[in-house]
Amino acid sequence: GIQVEQSPPDLILQEGANSTLRCNFSDSVNNLQWFHQNPWGQLINLFYIPSGTKQNGRLSATTVATERYSLLYISSSQTTDSGVYFCAVVRNNAGNMLTFGGGTRLMVKP
Amino acid sequence: GAGVSQSPSNKVTEKGKDVELRCDPISGHTALYWYRQRLGQGLEFLIYFQGNSAPDKSGLPSDRFSAERTGESVSTLTIQRTQQEDSAVYLCASSAQLDSYNEQFFGPGTRLTVL
Repeated sequence: GIQVEQSPPDLILQEGANSTLRCNFSDSVNNLQWFHQNPWGQLINLFYIPSGTKQNGRLSATTVATERYSLLYISSSQTTDSGVYFCAVVRNNAGNMLTFGGGTRLMVKP
Repeated sequence: GAGVSQSPSNKVTEKGKDVELRCDPISGHTALYWYRQRLGQGLEFLIYFQGNSAPDKSGLPSDRFSAERTGESVSTLTIQRTQQEDSAVYLCASSAQLDSYNEQFFGPGTRLTVL
């Protein structure tokens, strides 16, 4: 199956700092999503981004499908950004299920 | 509108008992997925329903796991003869499946603890 690797696995930031999270995948995909799992376990949709660049407030994401990676940028981080960020992909011609990476655990300190 | 809902939110059971978990997808979504998340890990796919097509059961870990869906609405995941390794959060997702657009939206999950 497809492999999805996220880096870094853990990240500690001071409030106000910027960060970049990376997602590498091993095969061509037709869907890529970024999620934030809050401390209560709820998965919150951040971006649906199989290719290109999108921005939503302090967050933006870029997927370069031909090079098999995606980046999530967090600017001016806030304590409420803490939690786990997951990248998940749907492999081309292999059904519609998402394959998740291992996540990046982010802690933003005040 | 309403998101994906799941019930119960928590379930504690004894080893060997059967459990049923319920998922109500977003209204109008034709695709429904079940995933499992063990403590500290990412999500693993279990089963996928799309309209009236046969479900994709390729992620079910054993024959103790089964799922049903009534039309394009409610789904029930059943785990028979539960084992301690079944303890996890079970999450349901749905998507609209419009052409190539299939963003998945997740429910809050059911936390299952097998004693």
